[in-house]
Amino acid sequence: AQSVTQLDSQVPVFEEAPVELRCNYSSSVSVYLFWYVQYPNQGLQLLLKYLSGSTLVESINGFEAEFNKSQTSFHLRKPSVHISDTAEYFCAVSDLDTDKLIFGTGTRLQVFP
Amino acid sequence: GAGVSQSPSNKVTEKGKDVELRCDPISGHTALYWYRQSLGQGLEFLIYFQGNSAPDKSGLPSDRFSAERTGGSVSTLTIQRTQQEDSAVYLCASSSEGLAGGALKYFGPGTRLTVL
Repeated sequence: AQSVTQLDSQVPVFEEAPVELRCNYSSSVSVYLFWYVQYPNQGLQLLLKYLSGSTLVESINGFEAEFNKSQTSFHLRKPSVHISDTAEYFCAVSDLDTDKLIFGTGTRLQVFP
Repeated sequence: GAGVSQSPSNKVTEKGKDVELRCDPISGHTALYWYRQSLGQGLEFLIYFQGNSAPDKSGLPSDRFSAERTGGSVSTLTIQRTQQEDSAVYLCASSSEGLAGGALKYFGPGTRLTVL
């Protein structure tokens, strides 16, 4: 069965510092990969996704993630974080022929001034 | 409405009572999903609907949990004889493409269930 591992439950960082949120998945088959963000008291929103093509995908607010098939990873990065990036970030995976998203346990990003 | 809506937003119930949680998907979305977000457990898949049928209900934790969808639209998740471990945020999502792993899923705000 698919599983997603987010090793860091919390990541504290100062504003304007770079950040990396780690995500590894367990699968020997082709998958789709997603990062979702949950801001305080809000619902889940899709941040970015990898379906095919370029292994580097970007979001509109400066986040990027790189699909690494050999390491089965999809780490999320941002070169300079803002206070407003404080949120819970969830990595998720789905098989190409099923429609079930499997989520990691989430990483709480806390940005300090 | 423009997004997925869920009601109630909060539900407090006593152990042993039944509860019904409602999800209104985005109009025209054929696929509907229920997830549960528990403290320390992350997001767990519960059940998936394509139209009114449920091809995958593998995530329902026990036979106290059931869900239905009518008219290819509204879905109700029912929990019978609630237990304290059922306390969680229940999330609903919908998408316009079923049976496609890359389909974009839109999530509702969730129903926070507290079982006393």
